[in-house]
Amino acid sequence: AQKITQTQPGMFVQEKEAVTLDCTYDTSDPSYGLFWYKQPSSGEMIFLIYQGSYDQQNATEGRYSLNFQKARKSANLVISASQLGDSAMYFCAMREGLGTGGFKTIFGAGTRLFVKA
Amino acid sequence: EAQVTQNPRYLITVTGKKLTVTCSQNMNHEYMSWYRQDPGLGLRQIYYSMNVEVTDKGDVPEGYKVSRKEKRNFPLILESPSPNQTSLYFCASSLVGGVNTEAFFGQGTRLTVV
Repeated sequence: AQKITQTQPGMFVQEKEAVTLDCTYDTSDPSYGLFWYKQPSSGEMIFLIYQGSYDQQNATEGRYSLNFQKARKSANLVISASQLGDSAMYFCAMREGLGTGGFKTIFGAGTRLFVKA
Repeated sequence: EAQVTQNPRYLITVTGKKLTVTCSQNMNHEYMSWYRQDPGLGLRQIYYSMNVEVTDKGDVPEGYKVSRKEKRNFPLILESPSPNQTSLYFCASSLVGGVNTEAFFGQGTRLTVV
């Protein structure tokens, strides 16, 4: 069964430092996509970054990069040069694709990041 | 502006009183989905729809109904709400055609059932 695990309920990071948020997943589908979303205290869900199962290179979007280790089934989010505005809940998600014929999406429980000044 | 619009944003209701949460998107997306968010559990998919008249159950469909009569709208119906359906609900939409499709989320609906 597909599953997403985020083992860090909460994380602290000093402003301007880098932080890694962990995500491991489990799926038998060879075709899947991994996503990270940010949820600030205002509640909206903000898309950050995407990694496809067949992508050879790790995804990057500005200060966000995804450390994709397919054999270990991990998709960790790295935020460089943390800012106070990065304080939020972060969710890892996976969508399975062609193998299942559907587009079920599952989310991890989330990691709350606190950036200290 | 591309967006997913949910209404209402906040709702307090009583057990057993039928309610509908509306969701509309203006991006011509085929795929729409409903999630509920509960502390410590992340977002769990309730129902999703691949296109008009095509819907399927997610992981937690009990107590909910959906319909997809038009491409842009995907309402969530609670026929007889119960307190365990108190939650934050999100509607999302995206293109179909591959797994690399970013989901656009609505603003969320905070539902309290007393």
